[in-house]
Amino acid sequence: EDQVTQSPEALRLQEGESSSLNCSYTVSGLRGLFWYRQDPGKGPEFLFTLYSAGEEKEKERLKATLTKKESFLHITAPKPEDSATYLCAVKGGAQKLVFGQGTRLTINP
Amino acid sequence: EAGVTQSPTHLIKTRGQQATLRCSPISGHTSVYWYQQALGLGLQFLLWYDEGEERNRGNFPPRFSGRQFPNYSSELNVNALELEDSALYLCASSLTQPQHFGDGTRLSIL
Repeated sequence: EDQVTQSPEALRLQEGESSSLNCSYTVSGLRGLFWYRQDPGKGPEFLFTLYSAGEEKEKERLKATLTKKESFLHITAPKPEDSATYLCAVKGGAQKLVFGQGTRLTINP
Repeated sequence: EAGVTQSPTHLIKTRGQQATLRCSPISGHTSVYWYQQALGLGLQFLLWYDEGEERNRGNFPPRFSGRQFPNYSSELNVNALELEDSALYLCASSLTQPQHFGDGTRLSIL
């Protein structure tokens, strides 16, 4: 069965303090690893798709990387507006997204 | 470009009643997915519709059902509502990948 585990559950940083979020996964036939951002009361907003080990994607202060067992979301010099819950999901052979529990990120000014 | 739209925003029901939730996908998207986001449980896959057919369903009882219409919009029906059905129900659409989500319907069971 496909599984996704995200750590830490919650992370509090000061503005400008860089860090990384972890997503460990087991999947039968990876067909994509996805990162989403979810703000309170909103649906998840798509950030990145990664397909193969070694792949990297960047967007503003965020960079996502992928290995055969895990993905990292690196946040460089974060700002308060980066505060949100970050969700990781994998798509395997069953063609459905399996989500982790998310990391709740708070950036203090 | 309009995103995925869901209605209603909030829905309050009592145990045993039936609920209908609606979803309009992004124009050009043919697949619609439904997820349940209950407090502390994360997003759980419910149903996938593509070209009007149910393609896959998650580990939910048969009282969770739905359909997709010829215009690719979709509805989710939940019969015999139970207290544990209280959750945010999210709809997503895609043509291939990735899935794009709406802001959900908050279903509260009293």
